[in-house]
Amino acid sequence: ETGVTQSPTHLIKTRGQQVTLRCSSQSGHNTVSWYQQALGQGPQFIFQYYREEENGRGNFPPRFSGLQFPNYSSELNVNALELDDSALYLCASSLGSQSGELFFGEGSRLTVL
Amino acid sequence: GIQVEQSPPDLILQEGANSTLRCNFSDSVNNLQWFHQNPWGQLINLFYIPSGTKQNGRLSATTVATERYSLLYISSSQTTDSGVYVCALDRELSFGAGTTVTVRA
Repeated sequence: ETGVTQSPTHLIKTRGQQVTLRCSSQSGHNTVSWYQQALGQGPQFIFQYYREEENGRGNFPPRFSGLQFPNYSSELNVNALELDDSALYLCASSLGSQSGELFFGEGSRLTVL
Repeated sequence: GIQVEQSPPDLILQEGANSTLRCNFSDSVNNLQWFHQNPWGQLINLFYIPSGTKQNGRLSATTVATERYSLLYISSSQTTDSGVYVCALDRELSFGAGTTVTVRA
């Protein structure tokens, strides 16, 4: 059984650019959730995908968007990057959208200059 | 959203000591998890415990959902137990601020 994997692990972008982060869910899981963790703060919920549909969203602007694929892997896209988007982006997978244990990947650390 | 309070914020232990970490929350929850966050930020699952009691080696946890709190027990602490322990609730994972545990040899 493979765990949750994220790529890339680190990346640097400049303000105004676009970024795509990827997440492969744990085997057998159909739900992926994304979180942003700024330095010194707790993770903040961005959105969740369940069976390829967005299934809940936190307080993030539309320039944060995502996709889930038939194999339940997922992408997080951020357009028009701002300096405050610098953070650790965490992906978690679970079986089911409302209950069940979440398992996290190691995260993608984004720096926006 | 649900408010989560963890206490104490910091805990210094001598190796071999026992300790209790507490997580209070403001509303009923469907999910509650305890994590250990490593220095690189990765969240390591400790317990999925929306109610009841579980044990895993020297760690155990109890959630009393009707009284809106959860406890994480560390027994016979070791230096490798050092780190940040975080309580998180529901799908949106409202996270507590964490308890930073330092175990001294």
